[in-house]
Amino acid sequence: GNSVTQMEGPVTLSEEAFLTINCTYTATGYPSLFWYVQYPGEGLQLLLKATKADDKGSNKGFEATYRKETTSFHLEKGSVQVSDSAVYFCARVNQGGKLIFGQGTELSVKP
Amino acid sequence: SQTIHQWPATLVQPVGSPLSLECTVEGTSNPNLYWYRQAAGRGLQLLFYSVGIGQISSEVPQNLSASRPQDRQFILSSKKLLLSDSGFYLCAWSVRSSFTDTQYFGPGTRLTVL
Repeated sequence: GNSVTQMEGPVTLSEEAFLTINCTYTATGYPSLFWYVQYPGEGLQLLLKATKADDKGSNKGFEATYRKETTSFHLEKGSVQVSDSAVYFCARVNQGGKLIFGQGTELSVKP
Repeated sequence: SQTIHQWPATLVQPVGSPLSLECTVEGTSNPNLYWYRQAAGRGLQLLFYSVGIGQISSEVPQNLSASRPQDRQFILSSKKLLLSDSGFYLCAWSVRSSFTDTQYFGPGTRLTVL
């Protein structure tokens, strides 16, 4: 099928900790992959994307590598800040051009 | 640069009342437009998308409808709201030429049906 699976939250970390949010997908071919972030009470913002296998997307210290062998697009950041507290959504585009979202992972960073 | 607006930002409506949410995009022409709903504690559900004026595709059966009267205007409506229509409604746009391109989201409308 066509789906995106994210690790369940909430994820609670201390400031400056290392972050990994797992995301795996099922797909035919190699769809574009995205990470969106939703801060409390706001809409979604594009965080980063990768359009082909082995691409690495990066933004604001976050990174994710498109790994076709493991059909994964895990989000990482070396040192999180309190301001990174938000819900993170992994997504892929299906053949009809629609975004398929994961269920979202809530991140809470404590000072 | 492109911007996307949604209004109202918040709305509280009684069950059975009508609904009209508006989304407008500036700075681009012929965009693909989308309506999503995000229920509390859940992910996003695509409701409608449009590739042009008057062209609407529905993803899920419901008592909602969408219209696109102008190129950069997308409206979500209902004749009679249900309690289950409560949620956070997000509008998004993408470049017309490619469905695989990034979707950019508006600030959302939080709807509470009582």
